[in-house]
Amino acid sequence: DTGVSQNPRHKITKRGQNVTFRCDPISEHNRLYWYRQTLGQGPEFLTYFQNEAQLEKSRLLSDRFSAERPKGSFSTLEIQRTEQGDSAMYLCASSFPPIRTGNPSSYNEQFFGPGTRLTVL
Amino acid sequence: GNSVTQMEGPVTLSEEAFLTINCTYTATGYPSLFWYVQYPGEGLQLLLKATKADDKGSNKGFEATYRKETTSFHLEKGSVQVSDSAVYFCARVNTGGFKTIFGAGTRLFVKA
Repeated sequence: DTGVSQNPRHKITKRGQNVTFRCDPISEHNRLYWYRQTLGQGPEFLTYFQNEAQLEKSRLLSDRFSAERPKGSFSTLEIQRTEQGDSAMYLCASSFPPIRTGNPSSYNEQFFGPGTRLTVL
Repeated sequence: GNSVTQMEGPVTLSEEAFLTINCTYTATGYPSLFWYVQYPGEGLQLLLKATKADDKGSNKGFEATYRKETTSFHLEKGSVQVSDSAVYFCARVNTGGFKTIFGAGTRLFVKA
């Protein structure tokens, strides 16, 4: 399977514990994105990487959240001192960077993984 | 700011009925527009996209036209099937951007 993979698929933890999720993007993609999706809502952007550089972080990403992509391949998202409000589906996506052509609306599709569902008790 | 608004669900239809799911976006810049679908227990899949005004995206019998004058990107299908039951998300990305902004999603149930 050459799609985006995420592990674990499900994580149940107690409040105050630390958790770490992993994302393996499509191998040719140099952009990697993290989103969070709560029940009944669309995904919300958290952060993204181009290669190993983290280029943007949402204000949703509190100090308890940290994301890394040390070698420009897989990425990890760590949540420290989890709170019940952190319960959500965490989605990873990857893409090529936008191609600059004569059309300023050029865009490369983001391919999403199956997500990691976090439940904080 | 940048936002996407889509009709609330759930939408319940009988098989072979006509489907419309409305989506509007704020007119900031010249975004690319998308519809994603999420089947039960699966990740998001891109259904179709349109990158400029008057473009029509189409896939698997679904269509949506980028309407700049009404800032809309409504999803349509002429004859739905039970297998189309899923949650549909309208989304935008600004020119040269990286962040996808999603609507809240519309759940579709299709009855046999």
